[in-house]
Amino acid sequence: DQQVKQNSPSLSVQEGRISILNCDYTNSMFDYFLWYKKYPAEGPTFLISISSIKDKNEDGRFTVFLNKSAKHLSLHIVPSQPGDSAVYFCAATYNQGGKLIFGQGTELSVKP
Amino acid sequence: GAVVSQHPSWVICKSGTSVKIECRSLDFQATTMFWYRQFPKQSLMLMATSNEGSKATYEQGVEKDKFLINHASLTLSTLTVTSAHPEDSSFYICSARDVGQPAKTQYFGPGTRLLVL
Repeated sequence: DQQVKQNSPSLSVQEGRISILNCDYTNSMFDYFLWYKKYPAEGPTFLISISSIKDKNEDGRFTVFLNKSAKHLSLHIVPSQPGDSAVYFCAATYNQGGKLIFGQGTELSVKP
Repeated sequence: GAVVSQHPSWVICKSGTSVKIECRSLDFQATTMFWYRQFPKQSLMLMATSNEGSKATYEQGVEKDKFLINHASLTLSTLTVTSAHPEDSSFYICSARDVGQPAKTQYFGPGTRLLVL
């Protein structure tokens, strides 16, 4: 039962353009969502998060949007840079225990 | 801030031996640490939640007698893979939550690549 889904395994974007990574979830109990960036053979690096009481959170080039009614969140990267090329995971959690449920990941490739 | 280290970064061992992986929060205290594993081209799967001073909580399908977890202090958790077999070869990653922060953000270590021959 995949509670967090990233349906696009890969995305290719031109440098300077916007990258939009999508994530869907099924569990309405989730109250906190996070995006991580990961390179091969390395641990995930935290990028940005959002609480379910908000619909948008922005940090520099990264913005996360949350649509609770659609159970959908997205990560926007503007402008995209070649160094952004990596696998991006969305994750969700719903209790004080903090257990994260991860999506399958989307591999972003930003071409110069 | 929020740095998590893991040691070793990679290990090769013979089938039947045990391997210990350490996870440390370097600049914050973590009452809770998490252990994940990742197979190639797949997502991170939570194995267990490690709580300081108490027994770990294992996810369904994870053998607690095979994957021993000890969280002896607020900055250290260890995962021991006992009697390792080739199917245990994987990328093991730990994470920790900062008790001083209200958010539920987890910070991850760099991972440990285990290869069992």
